[in-house]
Amino acid sequence: DVKVTQSSRYLVKRTGEKVFLECVQDMDHENMFWYRQDPGLGLRLIYFSYDVKMKEKGDIPEGYSVSREKKERFSLILESASTNQTSMYLCASSDPRGGYGYTFGSGTRLTVV
Amino acid sequence: DQQVKQNSPSLSVQEGRISILNCDYTNSMFDYFLWYKKYPAEGPTFLISISSIKDKNEDGRFTVFLNKSAKHLSLHIVPSQPGDSAVYFCAASRASGTYKYIFGTGTRLKVLA
Repeated sequence: DVKVTQSSRYLVKRTGEKVFLECVQDMDHENMFWYRQDPGLGLRLIYFSYDVKMKEKGDIPEGYSVSREKKERFSLILESASTNQTSMYLCASSDPRGGYGYTFGSGTRLTVV
Repeated sequence: DQQVKQNSPSLSVQEGRISILNCDYTNSMFDYFLWYKKYPAEGPTFLISISSIKDKNEDGRFTVFLNKSAKHLSLHIVPSQPGDSAVYFCAASRASGTYKYIFGTGTRLKVLA
């Protein structure tokens, strides 16, 4: 069964900490995405990557960075966590040749205190 | 600017009846649309898709209708079951390039037994 795995289901971090959220996919997909989900705002795109070492900003990149050193792994980095970054973070991957949408991970619920 | 809108944040339906979830979009360049279903503490899962060359697509109890002139799509669930209770997101993309999807804000469906 194909999978997108996010390393943590729940995280609690302190304001100002540097936070790493890891995502690994086993489908050899070229595209990977990071979204955050907030009530009333839906899923908003933070960053995406269409190839190793390539990245593009999404709609809300401020306060975040990403790293894609290997095809299967896409990391989201909160440089200095703030309380307004408390959210559900969702990683997804897709194959642009297929066009059938994303496969999502189970999500990481991050709380910044 | 919200390019994909789901104007009903919630919907309650009696078991066995039809559920109709609506989605509007503003970008006429969108030509591929998806519906996702999300349970709490899980990642969204793909439900059904439709390309702009069609106006209807069916998969079991789920049917998606697309009205390109109105820039409107809807998801029909017949008959509705308690297990359908979840948040439903519509998403839109151009069928080219990286297939970067724009998501709506979601509709929480509650099917009453």
